[in-house]
Amino acid sequence: GAGVSQSPSNKVTEKGKDVELRCDPISGHTALYWYRQSLGQGLEFLIYFQGNSAPDKSGLPSDRFSAERTGGSVSTLTIQRTQQEDSAVYLCASSLDFGRETQYFGPGTRLLVL
Amino acid sequence: AQSVTQLDSQVPVFEEAPVELRCNYSSSVSVYLFWYVQYPNQGLQLLLKYLSGSTLVKGINGFEAEFNKSQTSFHLRKPSVHISDTAEYFCAVWVGQGAQKLVFGQGTRLTINP
Repeated sequence: GAGVSQSPSNKVTEKGKDVELRCDPISGHTALYWYRQSLGQGLEFLIYFQGNSAPDKSGLPSDRFSAERTGGSVSTLTIQRTQQEDSAVYLCASSLDFGRETQYFGPGTRLLVL
Repeated sequence: AQSVTQLDSQVPVFEEAPVELRCNYSSSVSVYLFWYVQYPNQGLQLLLKYLSGSTLVKGINGFEAEFNKSQTSFHLRKPSVHISDTAEYFCAVWVGQGAQKLVFGQGTRLTINP
């Protein structure tokens, strides 16, 4: 079956603009995760969803970051008033259930803020 | 707090030679350990995982890892590498208490030379 897909694959934006990153998880996966991968920073956990609910938002870097998930499927990560330090690859993953389940990753969205 | 340390940021190896990628974790509770691989311009893919049972875990592509509780290690090994194994390898630990999330190490870039 289809894997996790993300769009766009690349995004170039100007400082101060808002961006939306989309993630389509594997069908039937109830848990969805967002990570940020930066040079020299490794993989940073941002937020997870169980169904449409995000129990813990403490991993989001600032209040400019928000995420939602609708219909237990598609998720959108929104970054408002982008800054140059937001430049990174944003990875989405999904798993059958929440917990120590195997996470399946999408190819990522490469964001460049000029 | 749980953390993961990958002791080598880069490992160059000749083709058909054995390789070991080192991973140490810190945790005061039960751990669930994972190795993921990221090929160039792709998302992460699960290589293997340890949840319980046998401490020697076999994964895809001929890789294996051994969970050593006393040394808090989960080193990844392959007896004979191929050019196609060139990738970045991430060790991760599932944090099941508090902020539940997958915590990744900084990654080890494995380069296979002919």
